[in-house]
Amino acid sequence: DTEVTQTPKHLVMGMTNKKSLKCEQHMGHRAMYWYKQKAKKPPELMFVYSYEKLSINESVPSRFSPECPNSSLLNLHLHALQPEDSALYLCASSQELRGPGEKLFFGSGTQLSVL
Amino acid sequence: DQQVKQNSPSLSVQEGRISILNCDYTNSMFDYFLWYKKYPAEGPTFLISISSIKDKNEDGRFTVFLNKSAKHLSLHIVPSQPGDSAVYFCAASGYGGSQGNLIFGKGTKLSVKP
Repeated sequence: DTEVTQTPKHLVMGMTNKKSLKCEQHMGHRAMYWYKQKAKKPPELMFVYSYEKLSINESVPSRFSPECPNSSLLNLHLHALQPEDSALYLCASSQELRGPGEKLFFGSGTQLSVL
Repeated sequence: DQQVKQNSPSLSVQEGRISILNCDYTNSMFDYFLWYKKYPAEGPTFLISISSIKDKNEDGRFTVFLNKSAKHLSLHIVPSQPGDSAVYFCAASGYGGSQGNLIFGKGTKLSVKP
């Protein structure tokens, strides 16, 4: 199994809603990532978890709250989002949070629209 | 300021010919470069990588060339096939640390025409 599974594939939410994005991998990877990608822009790193501990937070607003319940699961909790947060949210995993060249395995993403 | 630049948003190539995708970077601390390929409605998938201690890496139809002095790398696909039509992202990592943070370019959309 070399897949990273993300649910839901599409999500529409209002600015007052609370929702969660889910990500799962069964490759035994110990590093998991959230990236955000806006149209015609490159993916931008949001958070990195290593061995279920938050390792990197790229100055993401607190309306995005990550959670890593176990080594296979990664959640992104959303609350009071703004329309400009509409984007494709990509989850990825890698064997370890090692140095350069660490190969990432990406999920197919959740396309989020905030109304 | 973008540290990884892919200046061609799109490229169209005839099937069987060579596709050359270019990428420039500004940060001399980068020491590993990767190419990812992305189909619509799917996440990026790893294609090929190169360490800064090399100037060429080949894997089947895909070859990546690195010119450190010019801070430039390119991906060659020979021969190009219609199934290669996708968006190609160049990515760089390094900083000498262990963050594993990839910096992506904006991508180049490759169209291979039959």
